[in-house]
Amino acid sequence: DAGVIQSPRHEVTEMGQEVTLRCKPISGHDYLFWYRQTMMRGLELLIYFNNNVPIDDSGMPEDRFSAKMPNASFSTLKIQPSEPRDSAVYFCASSGRRNTEAFFGQGTRLTVV
Amino acid sequence: AQKVTQAQTEISVVEKEDVTLDCVYETRDTTYYLFWYKQPPSGELVFLIRRNSFDEQNEISGRYSWNFQKSTSSFNFTITASQVVDSAVYFCALSPNFGNEKLTFGTGTRLTIIP
Repeated sequence: DAGVIQSPRHEVTEMGQEVTLRCKPISGHDYLFWYRQTMMRGLELLIYFNNNVPIDDSGMPEDRFSAKMPNASFSTLKIQPSEPRDSAVYFCASSGRRNTEAFFGQGTRLTVV
Repeated sequence: AQKVTQAQTEISVVEKEDVTLDCVYETRDTTYYLFWYKQPPSGELVFLIRRNSFDEQNEISGRYSWNFQKSTSSFNFTITASQVVDSAVYFCALSPNFGNEKLTFGTGTRLTIIP
């Protein structure tokens, strides 16, 4: 299996622009997670899906952030408009049924200038 | 509320030394899972171990071992005979009940192995 695939690996954008991060989970996994990693806040869960349905989005910082999972093999995290404080590494992870570990993608390093 | 504390921000040891990374957690749940992940310089997060709250047996996997003590709410990680490739940031994490949802991560310990 190819593992969790994220794209792009790096993104540099100007403040105010829309940014879309993409994730392909491991085939057959029911759960998909979006995490953000910053020096100040560490690793924090933004949102997670179960069977393509958003279960908990309480970690989404504000309305500028949105996430979708239109099918079992694809998810997006969108930031519109982006701000410099959104600069971080964004990780997507997936896991199988309950009681199984989450596997992480390689992350997208986002820089908003 | 759940909390994971990794008090050691950075540790440096000379190659072949043993090193223990501490993890202390807080939860009101009676059932929960604990995890360790490794983040090497390349940046990805690599799963190392998952332990449920009912299983207090220590685990050994090669040079890695884990000591889970419910009485002290600790889940410590020991690397024996450390190698340069062990240099990474190590994260301890906690999830509620029997689920893998909502991992709460500690702040990580940066381990540097000096050749």
